[in-house]
Amino acid sequence: KAGVTQTPRYLIKTRGQQVTLSCSPISGHRSVSWYQQTPGQGLQFLFEYFSETQRNKGNFPGRFSGRQFSNSRSEMNVSTLELGDSALYLCASSISGTENGYTFGSGTRLTVV
Amino acid sequence: QQQVKQSPQSLIVQKGGISIINCAYENTAFDYFPWYQQFPGKGPALLIAIRPDVSEKKEGRFTISFNKSAKQFSLHIMDSQPGDSATYFCAASEASGTYKYIFGTGTRLKVLA
Repeated sequence: KAGVTQTPRYLIKTRGQQVTLSCSPISGHRSVSWYQQTPGQGLQFLFEYFSETQRNKGNFPGRFSGRQFSNSRSEMNVSTLELGDSALYLCASSISGTENGYTFGSGTRLTVV
Repeated sequence: QQQVKQSPQSLIVQKGGISIINCAYENTAFDYFPWYQQFPGKGPALLIAIRPDVSEKKEGRFTISFNKSAKQFSLHIMDSQPGDSATYFCAASEASGTYKYIFGTGTRLKVLA
């Protein structure tokens, strides 16, 4: 059974650019969440999608956005990158939500220079 | 009120010993408490989870103890092995409607051979 797949694994971007990260959930999982992981702030919730609808969003600026497609695949976008956006971005999927336990991907390591 | 406080920040245990990591929360609406294990370069992996209607759950060498009145829960790793060396995160979520985990700050465990 394939796990959660995130692409790309590593990215280096310049301040002011934008970036799109991709996530393919486990087959049959309809809930997809995104988290930002940094040494200073730990794991912070970005947003959660279920059946193409955003059900919750964390306390991040509007530069952070996401979407989910009809096949449950998800993307997140960060516009006007700042140095502080450098982090590991983790995607997680679940059958329906937090009560089922989320399976995380290996993440996309974003470095903003 | 949304925080989950985790301690200790780091832990060194001899092979065969017991590793104990503690977490505390304030939000009484939390009703699902998973523990995740993360190795360098990997995403967090679900280890074990508990709901407030039980005081203890055991899976292999891993046990969660839950004290609802004290709003505390802990992870016990029995017969700790060098392969258990990783960062451990506790988390909490509400079953109804928030669709997100609040994570503790993590405990870096090192098991000495």
